[in-house]
Amino acid sequence: EIVLTQSPGTLSLSPGERATLSCRASQSVSSTYLAWYQQKPGQAPRLLIYGASRRATGIPDRFSGSGSGTDFTLTISRLEPEDFAVYYCQHYGGSPPLTFGGGTKVEIK
Amino acid sequence: QVPLQESGPGLVKPSETLSLTCTVSGGAVSDGGSISDFFWSWIRQPPGKGLEWIGYASHSGSVNYNPSLENRVTISVDTSTNQFSLNLASVTAADAAVYFCARLSPHWGSMGYWGQGVVVTVSS
Repeated sequence: EIVLTQSPGTLSLSPGERATLSCRASQSVSSTYLAWYQQKPGQAPRLLIYGASRRATGIPDRFSGSGSGTDFTLTISRLEPEDFAVYYCQHYGGSPPLTFGGGTKVEIK
Repeated sequence: QVPLQESGPGLVKPSETLSLTCTVSGGAVSDGGSISDFFWSWIRQPPGKGLEWIGYASHSGSVNYNPSLENRVTISVDTSTNQFSLNLASVTAADAAVYFCARLSPHWGSMGYWGQGVVVTVSS
């Protein structure tokens, strides 16, 4: 069973700072099927990154994804006020066929 | 035009079946292919908690369900109406959540189109 563990649970930062979010898989997974989402209160998740490093349509270039195997990272180079939200990683394939990480909340310090 | 829109009862009694429909329109149908090129997925989020994948189905009837729910879940796609549905049997209070529908790309395993979500309460 593939389990995605995100850390930290909460990240307290100021606007303009760099955010680094981690997603660790319990076993090696294909980076092709690793995605990141942003969710704000009362809204549906929004796809940010797919294929571990490809930005979705309309996503600013301050968002970047990297990693392979069991360790993946979402980086926000300079936090804007609208970036404070919860972020989820997600993997497709294997068992179970689709799984989400527990989420990282990026909050204003 | 909202690409995906969930509909269905917001209140379900314990032990009954939760039934939701997702209507697909606009870019969610035509962007990157047709309805037959994607998987159609349901995800839920209990109050204050993270995202839980429920399952997905293709236009041809192939399905994959979360093992923790598979004995209670049915997802189906109706290409004639551009809709897909979720049935979750024998609900309990633990099934109360916001339910989202989404379009899943089998090429990248990611969901670029989501519905806005519908709140489902389980209570007698």
